[in-house]
Amino acid sequence: TQLLEQSPQFLSIQEGENLTVYCNSSSVFSSLQWYRQEPGEGPVLLVTVVTGGEVKKLKRLTFQFGDARKDSSLHITAAQPGDTGLYLCAGEDSGYALNFGKGTSLLVTP
Amino acid sequence: DAGVIQSPRHEVTEMGQEVTLRCKPISGHNSLFWYRQTMMRGLELLIYFNNNVPIDDSGMPEDRFSAKMPNASFSTLKIQPSEPRDSAVYFCASSSGGLPLHFGNGTRLTVT
Repeated sequence: TQLLEQSPQFLSIQEGENLTVYCNSSSVFSSLQWYRQEPGEGPVLLVTVVTGGEVKKLKRLTFQFGDARKDSSLHITAAQPGDTGLYLCAGEDSGYALNFGKGTSLLVTP
Repeated sequence: DAGVIQSPRHEVTEMGQEVTLRCKPISGHNSLFWYRQTMMRGLELLIYFNNNVPIDDSGMPEDRFSAKMPNASFSTLKIQPSEPRDSAVYFCASSSGGLPLHFGNGTRLTVT
């Protein structure tokens, strides 16, 4: 199993602040996905990155895949309370399985 | 699209009892996954079915756990006998030919 380490584990910020969370591994992944999970619900896919160095934007969220395809980051600009949730990264393994990190729990207060 | 449907949403049972969790995947999806989520270990893949056939059950913790998929629209995960360390949120997810995964809202299992 390829391990994914996410940091920080917890993050509490005020509305309007910027933040970056990280997802690191010693293994190379063919693709990496970011999910957001809200309390009482299952994870929901935000984005998939495939190419080393790839950058994808989803409104105020910017995702980057490392050049070596071993790490990724998620940057949120001007965070809002609606961004609160658990952010999970997952690396594709064996073409079907996903290895998940433990997640970054984000709290954005008004 | 109703999404992946899991039942029950919450289950509280005593140690030693049998527990059955149920999942209805999204219609047309041919892959089904059972995951378990805990604070300590995060999301762990338990078993993967493709076209109703178990392909990878290496994540099933021990013989107390079993999973079936009798048809394309239904799967069960059974724990017998249950133990307190089985307490977790169990997620079912489905997909069409690989990724991405579509998760249900989970079953929160508490074993006392």
